[in-house]
Amino acid sequence: EVQLVESGGGLVQPGGSLRLSCAASQFTFNRYWMTWVRQAPGKGLEWVANINEGGSDKYYVDSVKGRFSISRDNAQNSLYLQMNSLRAEDTAVYYCARPYSRNAFDLWGQGTMVTVSA
Amino acid sequence: QSALTQPPSASGSPGQSVTISCTGTTSDVGGYNYVSWYQQHPGKAPKLMIYEVNKRPSGVPDRFSGSKSGNTASLTVSGLQAEDEADYYCSSYAGTNTDVFGTGTKVSVL
Repeated sequence: EVQLVESGGGLVQPGGSLRLSCAASQFTFNRYWMTWVRQAPGKGLEWVANINEGGSDKYYVDSVKGRFSISRDNAQNSLYLQMNSLRAEDTAVYYCARPYSRNAFDLWGQGTMVTVSA
Repeated sequence: QSALTQPPSASGSPGQSVTISCTGTTSDVGGYNYVSWYQQHPGKAPKLMIYEVNKRPSGVPDRFSGSKSGNTASLTVSGLQAEDEADYYCSSYAGTNTDVFGTGTKVSVL
C-alpha cells in the first residue's frame, strides 16, 4: 500500500528539541518533493516546510526559520523534521505529505502529535 | 505568508449546493493557477479534492468543482450529501517553492 507513516512526536519542554520521521512506502520516494504540514489543536492547517527530490533545496514558513530543519534520506525512503528551540505555539499534529504536483498534496500520513509544555 | 481567508462556516440541506470562497493576494491565489482544496473529517488526515484550481483527482465525485477569479478561489459542492459534512481548506502556491493554507471552513449538512 502506498503510504506515509510519521513517528517521533511526544511531550517536550519549551526550548527543547524533537526529531520527527516520516517513512514512505510503495512509491518512488526520490522522484517527489516532500512537505511537512502542521495543525494546532482545534485550528487550521499550516504549511511548515518543503524539500526537493534530492534534498538540496529547502523552504520554510517564517515562524520556524532558524529553528526547524527538513531533510530526507532517499536510500531509507524517509523524511525528517528536526525541531529545535521549541515553543508552546509549535504544539500541533505534524503531517508529512507528498505533492503529486505543485501544491497538490495527494498523500498524507496519519500525523504525529507534538506537545510543547512545561 | 498570511493564511488565505475563508468563511468560518457554510451550510446547506441535502441535495443543495454550497460554495466556499478562499481569498488571497496577487502573491498567491491571484498569481498562480495552483490552488488546491482539502476535505478533513474529525481526527483524520486531509484529503485532496481539487488541484490546479479545477482539476479533480481520480475518485473524487464530480459534485466537487473549483474555480478562480482574481485573488479569490472557490469550491462548490453540489448535491450535498451527509458525508460532505467536514472541514474544508484551500491552499495556494505562494512563490519561491512555498505554500499557504486557508483558515478553513466548516461545512454543515442541515
